[in-house]
This record gives sequence, structure tokens and C-alpha cells, in this order.
Amino acid sequence: RKEVEQDPGPFNVPEGATVAFNCTYSNSASQSFFWYRQDCRKEPKLLMSVYSSGNEDGRFTAQLNRASQYISLLIRDSKLSDSATYLCVVNYGGSQGNLIFGKGTKLSVKP
Amino acid sequence: DTGVSQDPRHKITKRGQNVTFRCDPISEHNRLYWYRQTLGQGPEFLTYFQNEAQLEKSRLLSDRFSAERPKGSFSTLEIQRTEQGDSAMYLCASSLVESSYEQYFGPGTRLTVT
Repeated sequence: RKEVEQDPGPFNVPEGATVAFNCTYSNSASQSFFWYRQDCRKEPKLLMSVYSSGNEDGRFTAQLNRASQYISLLIRDSKLSDSATYLCVVNYGGSQGNLIFGKGTKLSVKP
Repeated sequence: DTGVSQDPRHKITKRGQNVTFRCDPISEHNRLYWYRQTLGQGPEFLTYFQNEAQLEKSRLLSDRFSAERPKGSFSTLEIQRTEQGDSAMYLCASSLVESSYEQYFGPGTRLTVT
């Protein structure tokens, strides 16, 4: 079983749609959780951190459910520029500095 | 440009040859990471350094792979006796220790082994 699992998509949505991505992780020792964004043929970039209390950044809302080992990302009023691959990421914390990435979910926003 | 830089951006090599990639992190970042990404997959961790010390290596890092960060600044990743399965994008990232979750990635080196 993969440590971080995501629906690979692609998700094809019209502009203005609301889209939700889900992710599950297998290691209950995971400490920190993030969403990274990767544009086609570009490097990944941090989109937002994910907290148990949930957090919102403009049109983006991230949620964490530690009991279910489940992470979500909601994008409201999607824009053409949101088209990218969204990577679910966990970190075990402590001395383990590496990030563990899911395969990514591809989003394509159409006019 | 003060971001992470990698050189070369592309490398085509024949099976069995050795290749070396370089990464220059953001200057104040003391952590440096190497990842490998293949098509349709997320980046997979290979190894990371804190200053010049190599603190962790993935099981993915076979004995043909070696990484160094001799002065705690730039890093090199060498692959000996390349195999076709080594073809991938090799990504370098850097961070501060206290915010190691926020890793800044370089543009990557795309390796093609023929």
C-alpha cells in the first residue's frame, strides 16, 4: 500500500466550478501535512499547510482528519490558472526531513 | 535569481556511463534534498543533507548513487553505471531546518538513459 494515496484524475471542470480532492495516508505517525502544486513541466511549490482545525487561503480550503487519516483540498470558483497537478504531502517530523508525496491529482479548468 | 538552481537541465547518456548533477540551494538554507520524479508519479525522496552531513538516505538510493555536499553549500548527485530505469527528473530542494516542510525546489535535471 502506498504511503500517500490520491485519485489521479484528471478532473476536468468548467471555470467557476468547485472541485474537491481527497488524499489518504497510511502512517499514523505522520506529523505534518501539505498540499503542493505542480504546473506542467515545472517544479512543485508549496500551496498550503493542512491543520486539524482546517485552514483557508482565499478560494482554497484544506482539511485534515487524523482519525480517518484523510486530507482534503477544496477549490472554489476555479480559474483557468488553477490548472495543475495537486500533490498531497506528509512529513513524519523530527529528524526525518523528507516529504512523502502522493502521485498527484491533475486538474484541468476549461473556459 | 536567488532560487534553487540545478545543472544541467537535461542530460542524455548511454547505459553504463556515469553522470553527475549539481544543485545550488538558496544560500541561507541549511537543508538540501534530492528527489526523483518519473512521469505520472509524485517526487520520491532519495537523500538529504543538513549542512554537510548526509542525515538520511532512502532505500531507493542504490549503491550506484552517491551524493555529497562537501562545504555545506552546493551538492552533487552521481549515478554510476547508469541503467534505463534511472531515466527520470532529478529534483533538488532546499529549506531551513525550522521550516523543513516548506521546501523550495529547483527546476530539475531530466536524465534520459539510452
